[in-house]
Amino acid sequence: EAGVVQSPRYKIIEKKQPVAFWCNPISGHNTLYWYLQNLGQGPELLIRYENEEAVDDSQLPKDRFSAERLKGVDSTLKIQPAELGDSAVYLCASSPGTSGYQETQYFGPGTRLLVL
Amino acid sequence: GQQVMQIPQYQHVQEGEDFTTYCNSSTTLSNIQWYKQRPGGHPVFLIQLVKSGEVKKQKRLTFQFGEAKKNSSLHITATQTTDVGTYFCATDSWGKLQFGAGTQVVVTP
Repeated sequence: EAGVVQSPRYKIIEKKQPVAFWCNPISGHNTLYWYLQNLGQGPELLIRYENEEAVDDSQLPKDRFSAERLKGVDSTLKIQPAELGDSAVYLCASSPGTSGYQETQYFGPGTRLLVL
Repeated sequence: GQQVMQIPQYQHVQEGEDFTTYCNSSTTLSNIQWYKQRPGGHPVFLIQLVKSGEVKKQKRLTFQFGEAKKNSSLHITATQTTDVGTYFCATDSWGKLQFGAGTQVVVTP
């Protein structure tokens, strides 16, 4: 079974430029998560989707971040414009159920973003 | 929301030794999940604990959930170089995982 796929794996951009990350969850998984992981810290949830609905986006900085999961399968996370402080690893995860509660989350390899 | 604190932040272990890392909360937790992240890798699920006092073992790893459900521990016996990485505990609050800062484990041969 293929795992969570993310692309690109690495991205270097200049500040104020836009950037987009793509995630394809494990086939059949209804819940999709985007996390931000800063160096030396645990992942922090940005947004959680149940199918195509964003059910928790309270931690997403909506002035510059946006996300979509139009058909309830793959998802895109966008930053526009990027700031220096956005340099981090962006992790996508998925879980099979519709609530995510007490479910195992399967993480993708992440996208390492460096903003110069 | 629920927050978990992990100690120690760093753990240097001689190969073959045992060590324990702890995850603490000031509030009662509904569950605890443990993840391992290898250097340069992504978090990988290890175990979930739900019941008060629950103990689960995976080969050399022993996970425990406290009786009051406010703390958890991960004990590794006979540490190997393959145990290198950061171990995170996380609590699930209605589908939202809140991670601790992790314990970074370095193993000296």
